[in-house]
Amino acid sequence: QQQVKQSPQSLIVQKGGISIINCAYENTAFDYFPWYQQFPGKGPALLIAIRPDVSEKKEGRFTISFNKSAKQFSLHIMDSQPGDSATYFCAARPGGGATNKLIFGTGTLLAVQP
Amino acid sequence: KAGVTQTPRYLIKTRGQQVTLSCSPISGHRSVSWYQQTPGQGLQFLFEYFSETQRNKGNFPGRFSGRQFSNSRSEMNVSTLELGDSALYLCASSLAASGSGELFFGEGSRLTVL
Repeated sequence: QQQVKQSPQSLIVQKGGISIINCAYENTAFDYFPWYQQFPGKGPALLIAIRPDVSEKKEGRFTISFNKSAKQFSLHIMDSQPGDSATYFCAARPGGGATNKLIFGTGTLLAVQP
Repeated sequence: KAGVTQTPRYLIKTRGQQVTLSCSPISGHRSVSWYQQTPGQGLQFLFEYFSETQRNKGNFPGRFSGRQFSNSRSEMNVSTLELGDSALYLCASSLAASGSGELFFGEGSRLTVL
């Protein structure tokens, strides 16, 4: 199954709170899991990424947690700020072969209230 | 360093017409991908080119086509436009030939079909 399921569709968090976005996949051949952030009028930009042999990766306030057995991964944004308000997409790369193709989740619109 | 440049940024067409969108990747990037973004379907992979060769094609009808030139610039064409083709078309380039290379997206070409 070449799908990545993302939830929630939208999220409202208070400033300083933790934002959590979840993704699930079926295809065990996926070998790379990035998260992209998109502001209105802009293209998506890479936020953080993880490979399936790692259970967690942290970069500043952003953390990816990866559960290979459950085929789930999530993005945690600590100390959420109004500037984090954007749409977040999880993605997965189909393994095998020479490709940069990504399968994207449907996106989560995050609003951080001051 | 200039980012990914897409032209035109906005365009309006009527059903049955055709459209050509252009993408200039970041200098040195030879991998170019195209995605269609709509509110309902999210980001959907169209096709991917590397060194003027199409490596992958998404699940879109044959009305959608593309090509890449020797300078890595890419174009995509949609013929016999339908209302449902209204979308933001995003181009992304990557330095890596394949694998976990970061995709750098342009700001997109917003197509409206009337």
